[in-house]
Amino acid sequence: KNEVEQSPQNLTAQEGEFITINCSYSVGISALHWLQQHPGGGIVSLFMLSSGKKKHGRLIATINIQEKHSSLHITASHPRDSAVYICAVGRNTDKLIFGTGTRLQVFP
Amino acid sequence: KAGVTQTPRYLIKTRGQQVTLSCSPISGHRSVSWYQQTPGQGLQFLFEYFSETQRNKGNFPGRFSGRQFSNSRSEMNVSTLELGDSALYLCASSSSGQAYGYTFGSGTRLTVV
Repeated sequence: KNEVEQSPQNLTAQEGEFITINCSYSVGISALHWLQQHPGGGIVSLFMLSSGKKKHGRLIATINIQEKHSSLHITASHPRDSAVYICAVGRNTDKLIFGTGTRLQVFP
Repeated sequence: KAGVTQTPRYLIKTRGQQVTLSCSPISGHRSVSWYQQTPGQGLQFLFEYFSETQRNKGNFPGRFSGRQFSNSRSEMNVSTLELGDSALYLCASSSSGQAYGYTFGSGTRLTVV
């Protein structure tokens, strides 16, 4: 069993839909990261969380430390949101452990 | 403010050769981490350098090595290349480590033939 599990693996949506991507982890962590990877490979760091909730534009990330679970929400989704979203956790070192990613496609 | 720069962007090497990849972090960032991404294994941590010292290391064979210079630029080297080393190699920089978040480069896509 992977230490970081993401669901779903693939997600398709119509433009404007509300999207949720989930991440569960089985180890104690000091921080959780949500990353976005577009075709071509470059990765953008969206959020770093150690508790609570963060919002940036149409993106919202939450974390529940007791339940070892985080969610990434996209409101009013747009085709430009199409990408792979990756959850990663860091423990007390800087060795990140990555989920396998969620491939999101948003159609107009 | 310039981002994290990785060179080269693409590279084709032959089995048995060695390769050196370069990563220039954001100015002022002292931590550089390296990651390997393959379709089969996903993203995996290779190692992290801070102030010229390797601070963390992933589970990769000794053929994978790295170093960091006094200007925080980092290189990683893979010796005796194998077909399975074909991957996207990403680096990320941070001011002090994960507590401050990371900025990723665009990666170097290595193909071993």
